[in-house]
Amino acid sequence: NAGVTQTPKFRVLKTGQSMTLLCAQDMNHEYMYWYRQDPGMGLRLIHYSVGEGTTAKGEVPDGYNVSRLKKQNFLLGLESAAPSQTSVYFCASSRDFDQPQHFGDGTRLSIL
Amino acid sequence: GENVEQHPSTLSVQEGDSAVIKCTYSDSASNYFPWYKQELGKRPQLIIDIRSNVGEKKDQRIAVTLNKTAKHFSLHITETQPEDSAVYFCAGSYSGGGADGLTFGKGTHLIIQP
Repeated sequence: NAGVTQTPKFRVLKTGQSMTLLCAQDMNHEYMYWYRQDPGMGLRLIHYSVGEGTTAKGEVPDGYNVSRLKKQNFLLGLESAAPSQTSVYFCASSRDFDQPQHFGDGTRLSIL
Repeated sequence: GENVEQHPSTLSVQEGDSAVIKCTYSDSASNYFPWYKQELGKRPQLIIDIRSNVGEKKDQRIAVTLNKTAKHFSLHITETQPEDSAVYFCAGSYSGGGADGLTFGKGTHLIIQP
């Protein structure tokens, strides 16, 4: 039972490049989330989804897009990467909004 | 939405002593308060949680207390050990205005001194 799996684990991009981060969960959870973690800033919500085919903006959505075409997958896209998007990105999932969130191992992204 | 404040940002205690981390929240409708532990380079992991209909919950050396009137909750770690060194995050649930989820505090770096 893998839980929440994120790919890739590390990535270095040049400014202006695009990429997609993939999150997969095998717990049949309805809710999925993308966070970014920066030193001293805690976990900040980028986008989230309350079910297949739905997405919603979080606290810091600018510069990111998401899609949830299948219940088990939640994709985070950067269309034109900027140095300010250098961060560690965590995906999480939960059964409901007031239930424990299970996190993936994170993706370390550097934008040069 | 919910606003969660966490204090202190850094806490250093001697091994064997107790550690207390405090959080306050703004939304009186919040009903779920989890605590996560994050070791360096690892994922956040749930260590304990409490719901608004309970005042205290214990799990071995870890306990959480909730004061709904004052809108604050605390994590208590007794008999601290080196492996307790980590960053701890509190969170509070929110729902309304078309949005729901958890709001996290900014974290407390707990350092256990040998």
